[in-house]
Amino acid sequence: AQKVTQAQTEISVVEKEDVTLDCVYETRDTTYYLFWYKQPPSGELVFLIRRNSFDEQNEISGRYSWNFQKSTSSFNFTITASQVVDSAVYFCALMREGGSEKLVFGKGTKLTVNP
Amino acid sequence: DVKVTQSSRYLVKRTGEKVFLECVQDMDHENMFWYRQDPGLGLRLIYFSYDVKMKEKGDIPEGYSVSREKKERFSLILESASTNQTSMYLCASSSQDQPQHFGDGTRLSIL
Repeated sequence: AQKVTQAQTEISVVEKEDVTLDCVYETRDTTYYLFWYKQPPSGELVFLIRRNSFDEQNEISGRYSWNFQKSTSSFNFTITASQVVDSAVYFCALMREGGSEKLVFGKGTKLTVNP
Repeated sequence: DVKVTQSSRYLVKRTGEKVFLECVQDMDHENMFWYRQDPGLGLRLIYFSYDVKMKEKGDIPEGYSVSREKKERFSLILESASTNQTSMYLCASSSQDQPQHFGDGTRLSIL
């Protein structure tokens, strides 16, 4: 069975602080994809990143970075120098390669960035 | 850009009504999905479809049905709405191994 755990339900930081959102997953598949989505207060889910299980290189996109470690089954997301606009609920998700393209979501982490 | 359009942002219906939630995508995606989102429970998959006229149950299909008569349109049907179906409903579409793209969501209230 596949499972995604986001242990942090809510995080509150002050603007310009760095913040890391944790994601731990469980799967028996050798090939899979990991995702992060952002859900701002307006409600729509915005795709941020997809990672193939064979690619453990960390990725950086502006203030966002992702650390994928298969050894600990983790795919953590760091926001550097956080801004108020980063306030949102962030979801980590797991998908088996091929098959039905079903996503298994974590329960999300609500990030509040205070001015 | 992928566009997934849900017919309503907000909807209020009464208990026992038959409710239709419509979703249209413009990227010729094979796969389409319906989720509901509730506080503390995250996103839960109701139904999905990987082709026209094909449907598969997700994790919580009870009380719902779906219809996919055309590739671009995926409808969620509440046969007899109940108050415990008050929720945020999200539609998504994707092609194989690609990220799912979501609509803006429909906040449905059943009174």
